[in-house]
Amino acid sequence: NAGVTQTPKFQVLKTGQSMTLQCAQDMNHNSMYWYRQDPGMGLRLIYYSASEGTTDKGEVPNGYNVSRLNKREFSLRLESAAPSQTSVYFCASSEWDIGGNQPQHFGDGTRLSIL
Amino acid sequence: AQTVTQSQPEMSVQEAETVTLSCTYDTSENNYYLFWYKQPPSRQMILVIRQEAYKQQNATENRFSVNFQKAAKSFSLKISDSQLGDTAMYFCAFMKTMSGNTPLVFGKGTRLSVIA
Repeated sequence: NAGVTQTPKFQVLKTGQSMTLQCAQDMNHNSMYWYRQDPGMGLRLIYYSASEGTTDKGEVPNGYNVSRLNKREFSLRLESAAPSQTSVYFCASSEWDIGGNQPQHFGDGTRLSIL
Repeated sequence: AQTVTQSQPEMSVQEAETVTLSCTYDTSENNYYLFWYKQPPSRQMILVIRQEAYKQQNATENRFSVNFQKAAKSFSLKISDSQLGDTAMYFCAFMKTMSGNTPLVFGKGTRLSVIA
């Protein structure tokens, strides 16, 4: 009963390095999301994918790219990491059915530090 | 664009007492969802309660209940019989549509400490 799985849980990078954060869900959800959480800022949307094959920018997309590899997986890539991208990153997924929108399910987060 | 405001950065409550966390939001939508999420020190995001805007009845989940005032765009969370395990960050969140999947818009959170 894994739900939403994020890897890695922790990572330290140097400025300018690249890295991909992985996210997978086993609930057959159509929609997936990437948020970042900074102290005092709550969670802010980076990118989301309403369904397989589509992606859209959120509130803070600069410096990031995403790939919806298949229905299960949605990755977030930092091409050239900057200290301002030090944050905790959350992946989430959700589904909608005739009963209405279902709540988003969150992964456990990735703590990323950029030195 | 929708905004969510939590005006209480930190609160504390004695164990077994009742506490209310405030949330206001701004939207021009008529149909939407509102949520309260709990984030304990473990960093997990745990859904506490949700409210559909078209429902007049306030949602309740055991010790957790909301006071939803649609006209005032207010959505407060009441925690009764507070327990030490309720210590966490609490986030109010808004979802703007009831058909199709859309992202959540979060408030900045309220840090709640339950004191023994």
